[in-house]
Amino acid sequence: SAVISQKPSRDICQRGTSLTIQCQVDSQVTMMFWYRQQPGQSLTLIATANQGSEATYESGFVIDKFPISRPNLTFSTLTVSNMSPEDSSIYLCSVRTSSYEQYFGPGTRLTVT
Amino acid sequence: AQKVTQAQTEISVVEKEDVTLDCVYETRDTTYYLFWYKQPPSGELVFLIRRNSFDEQNEISGRYSWNFQKSTSSFNFTITASQVVDSAVYFCALSTSGTYKYIFGTGTRLKVLA
Repeated sequence: SAVISQKPSRDICQRGTSLTIQCQVDSQVTMMFWYRQQPGQSLTLIATANQGSEATYESGFVIDKFPISRPNLTFSTLTVSNMSPEDSSIYLCSVRTSSYEQYFGPGTRLTVT
Repeated sequence: AQKVTQAQTEISVVEKEDVTLDCVYETRDTTYYLFWYKQPPSGELVFLIRRNSFDEQNEISGRYSWNFQKSTSSFNFTITASQVVDSAVYFCALSTSGTYKYIFGTGTRLKVLA
């Protein structure tokens, strides 16, 4: 398993601003993922972040809106840029172990006003 | 195409009742992995189980049990003697050997009433 922490746990932001979410893992992992979960919905994969390479974005998500950094094997950040109320969601990071299991962080609850 | 269907949007039971959450999946891959996660009101996703496609043994862990049937492409989850603390949204997910991605179902909200 893996223990994952995220900062901040929640935030309320103004429209047009940006927020950077941090994800820290207690062990070195190759693959980290960022998901979005809108209220009452399932999880949607935003991108995959591998250390040493550019993040791979899913359809409907672009780097200009959701830039991701992965400077080492235990840390990643996701920035939500130029926010609008539609970006209000829970943002979760996760890591995949060698046994195909994914473990999730506690999430960041973002409200955009 | 790969897909996970959780047809039950919401289930309410009275404490101590047994409850089964259904999960039906679609994939053409012969090697795949199925998962269940619990998301309590706090929002954190808790890993419950992983099942490999080549292992159809059912599994029991305390009050939890899982029934995997390849013939019907189902991976159902049963909670025996439910408790209020079981109230959560439960997600079923699928991953195949050719990709690292998870396909999540839409989730089933379980309410256990005291």
